[in-house]
Amino acid sequence: DAKTTQPNSMESNEEEPVHLPCNHSTISGTDYIHWYRQLPSQGPEYVIHGLTSNVNNRMASLAIAEDRKSSTLILHRATLRDAAVYYCILTRSNDYKLSFGAGTTVTVRA
Amino acid sequence: GAGVSQSPRYKVAKRGQDVALRCDPISGHVSLFWYQQALGQGPEFLTYFQNEAQLDKSGLPSDRFFAERPEGSVSTLKIQRTQQEDSAVYLCASSLSGKAGVGELFFGEGSRLTVL
Repeated sequence: DAKTTQPNSMESNEEEPVHLPCNHSTISGTDYIHWYRQLPSQGPEYVIHGLTSNVNNRMASLAIAEDRKSSTLILHRATLRDAAVYYCILTRSNDYKLSFGAGTTVTVRA
Repeated sequence: GAGVSQSPRYKVAKRGQDVALRCDPISGHVSLFWYQQALGQGPEFLTYFQNEAQLDKSGLPSDRFFAERPEGSVSTLKIQRTQQEDSAVYLCASSLSGKAGVGELFFGEGSRLTVL
């Protein structure tokens, strides 16, 4: 399976944007890029996913590099509720499971 | 409720005791997963069901761990003769399809097991 590399932690101020990087230099052409996040004492929740083009939804934006070897999850205006561990995960379209790494712990300062 | 429901939320067991953890997936979801999450780490895959069939149990750490989903809905994860290293949060997830690559997994809040 292709691996991802994320920083261990990031800090942000409330109401400022957060840019979470993910490196995946061994990504294959059929790998989707998924982001999940896990709030304290809860199970992971889906944030966003994409293949080649940038994606936007109500929670976040996903910017994918042209060579697909890296991507960035963008939280446009961080709130205290966005403090969580964010996981960047690669999956093939016919994969049935997610393989989590250690993720990035995001702290939001009031 | 509309989400994945797990019970109990917290379980304390004495070493050597058997435990059973229950998962109620979202109605109609074909796929069901169990994950184990140790403190400070990401979730680790344990096993996968498609309806009542257990298609992958490669992540179960030992033969003390057993999972079932007899009618293709509710699932139970059983741990026999618990050991201290079994202490973790056990997460259940379900999805409408069998393809996490293009679909979304919905996770429960987990069952936190502490083995004394």
